[in-house]
Amino acid sequence: NAGVTQTPKFRILKIGQSMTLQCTQDMNHNYMYWYRQDPGMGLKLIYYSVGAGITDKGEVPNGYNVSRSTTEDFPLRLELAAPSQTSVYFCASSQSNRGPDTQYFGPGTRLTVL
Amino acid sequence: GDSVTQMEGPVTLSEEAFLTINCTYTATGYPSLFWYVQYPGEGLQLLLKATKADDKGSNKGFEATYRKETTSFHLEKGSVQVSDSAVYFCALNSNTGNQFYFGTGTSLTVIP
Repeated sequence: NAGVTQTPKFRILKIGQSMTLQCTQDMNHNYMYWYRQDPGMGLKLIYYSVGAGITDKGEVPNGYNVSRSTTEDFPLRLELAAPSQTSVYFCASSQSNRGPDTQYFGPGTRLTVL
Repeated sequence: GDSVTQMEGPVTLSEEAFLTINCTYTATGYPSLFWYVQYPGEGLQLLLKATKADDKGSNKGFEATYRKETTSFHLEKGSVQVSDSAVYFCALNSNTGNQFYFGTGTSLTVIP
């Protein structure tokens, strides 16, 4: 049981390049989330999904896209990388979004845009 | 809207000192409250949680009590260790929406 896995661990992009951050969970959780964590700051929600085929915007969605074709996978797409997207990205999952349910986090992807 | 306000850091303590990290919240209804810990280079992991007023969550010597009257969920530990050095995040789930709300995190360094 690997939990939530993310790839890659590190990536450097040039301005204008695109990339996809991968996230997979093996706990059969319905809910998945993408957060970014800027230095010295808390987590900001980018997008979330309540199940396969259903996604919705969070607090800071601009510059990102997501898809959820399966329960397990929730990739995050950056189309035109900008320096403001330099951050650590965390994927998380939970069984439900209500009540005392816990979010399980991946180890993060550290992205630098130069 | 829902939100969490957390004591700013960084906090530096000597080993065996008493720790308090303050957390207050704003939410409609009856949220569930969480403390997450992030060790260097890792993702967040659940430390403890409480689901209703007056509940006390506890784990690894850490405790927090859900106080509805003061809308607080302060984290405490009686005697910190060097291995407790990490960033601590207070969070809530409002039970009415699809999102968790996190505080800005408090960095703790424990020196021998």
